[in-house]
Amino acid sequence: AQKITQTQPGMFVQEKEAVTLDCTYDTSDQSYGLFWYKQPSSGEMIFLIYQGSYDEQNATEGRYSLNFQKARKSANLVISASQLGDSAMYFCAMSVASGGSYIPTFGRGTSLIVHP
Amino acid sequence: GAGVSQSPSNKVTEKGKDVELRCDPISGHTALYWYRQSLGQGLEFLIYFQGNSAPDKSGLPSDRFSAERTGGSVSTLTIQRTQQEDSAVYLCASSQGAWAGIGNTIYFGEGSWLTVV
Repeated sequence: AQKITQTQPGMFVQEKEAVTLDCTYDTSDQSYGLFWYKQPSSGEMIFLIYQGSYDEQNATEGRYSLNFQKARKSANLVISASQLGDSAMYFCAMSVASGGSYIPTFGRGTSLIVHP
Repeated sequence: GAGVSQSPSNKVTEKGKDVELRCDPISGHTALYWYRQSLGQGLEFLIYFQGNSAPDKSGLPSDRFSAERTGGSVSTLTIQRTQQEDSAVYLCASSQGAWAGIGNTIYFGEGSWLTVV
């Protein structure tokens, strides 16, 4: 079974600073994908970034980067130069290819508040 | 369509009534997922469709919950005899294929907020 753990229920960061949101995962599969989603107060889940288990380089998308440490089974999200609009819930998720289909498993989320 | 569309966006219903929630996935996406999110909680998997078939229904919380998908496109989640604990946001998502890779990212709709009174 797959498991995603986000240990930080809430994080605070000052505008323009960088912040790291933690995510650890557990799977016995060698082939998997890791995702981060942002959920603002409106409720929509917004895809941010993806990392494949065989990708050798850390994924980056604009101000978002994923610090992938495979041996430690961690996939932390780094947001550089935080903006007030980054205040939201952030969810880490994992999918495992098994039998030709998969079900993405989500962590419980981290609430990020960016203050001026 | 351009994105995953869900309706209704908000639904208030009386305990015991049936409700139907609709999801229109992104055109061409063969995989479709339903999740439930209670207030302040993470996402709880309900059911997954590949085409019109549902290989995994393991997340449906009770036999009051059912879902179908027709034409490989629109899906309907039905909750019969609603209970107050069914109050939550029901999120639908779709992806191009069964394997989540960079080309098969899962895209979510804005959700249907269900309140049972």
